[in-house]
Amino acid sequence: DTGVSQDPRHKITKRGQNVTFRCDPISEHNRLYWYRQTLGQGPEFLTYFQNEAQLEKSRLLSDRFSAERPKGSFSTLEIQRTEQGDSAMYLCASSPRLAGETAYEQYFGPGTRLTVT
Amino acid sequence: AQSVTQLDSHVSVSEGTPVLLRCNYSSSYSPSLFWYVQHPNKGLQLLLKYTSAATLVKGINGFEAEFKKSETSFHLTKPSAHMSDAAEYFCVVRASGTYKYIFGTGTRLKVLA
Repeated sequence: DTGVSQDPRHKITKRGQNVTFRCDPISEHNRLYWYRQTLGQGPEFLTYFQNEAQLEKSRLLSDRFSAERPKGSFSTLEIQRTEQGDSAMYLCASSPRLAGETAYEQYFGPGTRLTVT
Repeated sequence: AQSVTQLDSHVSVSEGTPVLLRCNYSSSYSPSLFWYVQHPNKGLQLLLKYTSAATLVKGINGFEAEFKKSETSFHLTKPSAHMSDAAEYFCVVRASGTYKYIFGTGTRLKVLA
């Protein structure tokens, strides 16, 4: 068990460019979450996958954001036409399938820090 | 709508003294509540969780939290602070009927030698 990994760890891009981040969850974790965290704030929920199905998406997420988890393993988060307000830490977390559980411990990755110039 | 409020953005304690980090929640249903810790340059880590079993929940590193429905609180405590406890702490509620987890704004704990 190597933990949740995210790539890249840092990304600097110019306004208007597209960026894509990757998250590799802990193997056999079927639940996967994306969050955004800005300075001085707690993580803000973006989206949730159960296996390959995207079951919930924040209304805060604009159409410029899209996420996929095509085979129920790794996931990607794409931001199109980046804006300076997109600068943040993007966190990925995964949770195992546990029978009878209603509240799942999330295992977080180290995050991808995005800077839009 | 569910939410959590962390009442203190910063808390300073001396090493060896008790820690109290306060969290109030808003939820229409019996909530699932968590505390996570974020050390500098490290990922978020679960300290403890409450899921309607015992109201006093014990977590890692000597932390515990008590669920008080009448006060809608879930405060985090530790009898004796250690220098390694210096970090950012987040109170989290799972929004009932959704897969969404709502984080508070965090409390930065400083431990003085």
